[in-house]
Amino acid sequence: DGGITQSPKYLFRKEGQNVTLSCEQNLNHDAMYWYRQDPGQGLRLIYYSQIVNDFQKGDIAEGYSVSREKKESFPLTVTSAQKNPTAFYLCASSIALETEAFFGQGTRLTVV
Amino acid sequence: SQKIEQNSEALNIQEGKTATLTCNYTNYSPAYLQWYRQDPGRGPVFLLLIRENEKEKRKERLKVTFDTTLKQSLFHITASQPADSATYLCALAPGTYKYIFGTGTRLKVLA
Repeated sequence: DGGITQSPKYLFRKEGQNVTLSCEQNLNHDAMYWYRQDPGQGLRLIYYSQIVNDFQKGDIAEGYSVSREKKESFPLTVTSAQKNPTAFYLCASSIALETEAFFGQGTRLTVV
Repeated sequence: SQKIEQNSEALNIQEGKTATLTCNYTNYSPAYLQWYRQDPGRGPVFLLLIRENEKEKRKERLKVTFDTTLKQSLFHITASQPADSATYLCALAPGTYKYIFGTGTRLKVLA
């Protein structure tokens, strides 16, 4: 089945630690995205990538980093510089402009 | 500044009625607009896309309108069912890869 897979579903992190969220797609999509969702704030764009080996900052990139070494994979690292990392993180992909985004099931990150 | 507004208050309607959700935007000239459904703890799922030169789009019990003069989209669910209860998000794409999402409206259909 084609789709987009995020792992893990739940993640706990101690303050001061970096953590990496996985996102893999087998839809052969060029564009991939990372969003953060907080209650009452909707989805906010962290990073996006239009093509392999290229990515751009979104609206809230501070404290996050990404890589796009393969078309299928777009991992997100939440660094210790992110002051309020507890949130629901969503990865998405799309084939091109004017097409829908396909979302993963999300990773809920909690800092303990 | 650029802004997308959806009614943040929950919408409760009786089963069988038509639900109407609103998406207003300012300072954009979107090439197209999308609607998504999101269930609690899950990722959004695409429902409909409407382009700036289209006034209306339908899919089964769903209907979307797009008024670029009013800068507004309306999302209708006819003959609503309890299974339609979810949060509905609108998203704009102003001609780039960057989708811009509204905060969503929570719909509850009462049996």
